[in-house]
Amino acid sequence: KQEVTQIPAALSVPEGENLVLNCSFTDSAIYNLQWFRQDPGKGLTSLLLIQSSQREQTSGRLNASLDKSSGRSTLYIAASQPGDSATYLCAVSWGSARQLTFGSGTQLTVLP
Amino acid sequence: DAGITQSPRHKVTETGTPVTLRCHQTENHRYMYWYRQDPGHGLRLIHYSYGVKDTDKGEVSDGYSVSRSKTEDFLLTLESATSSQTSVYFCAISELRVTGDPYEQYFGPGTRLTVT
Repeated sequence: KQEVTQIPAALSVPEGENLVLNCSFTDSAIYNLQWFRQDPGKGLTSLLLIQSSQREQTSGRLNASLDKSSGRSTLYIAASQPGDSATYLCAVSWGSARQLTFGSGTQLTVLP
Repeated sequence: DAGITQSPRHKVTETGTPVTLRCHQTENHRYMYWYRQDPGHGLRLIHYSYGVKDTDKGEVSDGYSVSRSKTEDFLLTLESATSSQTSVYFCAISELRVTGDPYEQYFGPGTRLTVT
């Protein structure tokens, strides 16, 4: 079964710290991997998309990497801020309809 | 922001009643999806569409049906709502590159459904 796992489920860091969120997946034959942010009671905001042929993508203070052979992706957040506090979701696209399979998320709290 | 709207945004209904949720897009994307989000289960795919009148089941399709008569609209129907269908429902859209690889998937704001 194709599954996506995110560990840890929750993470608390002091402001200014650099941090890494982890995502692992069971089948390396992916189309792409997408990282989302979700604030409490809100919808999903797409952060970064990595195609299967790419190794990393960057947007501002965010950098996402992809290692298909090991079934892993990381989301690196530089110089964290309290406004970064949210749940971060990793999702992998498999299947003929390119539907996404989601991890359960990492709830990040950045303390002022 | 991608042009995706969902209606209604909130709904409370009674067990056994039919409910229809609507997703509307202005991006002319071919692929549309319905997911539900529940504590402890994350987001799971209910149904998806790969074109007008072309739909298929996802992971948790029991108790749900869908229809897509126009590119811009994707309807999710609960024929007879049950308490287990209390959830937040998200619609998403996507399109494919010429290579067949998907572009980003964009999500609507969600519909919070409570079945009492």
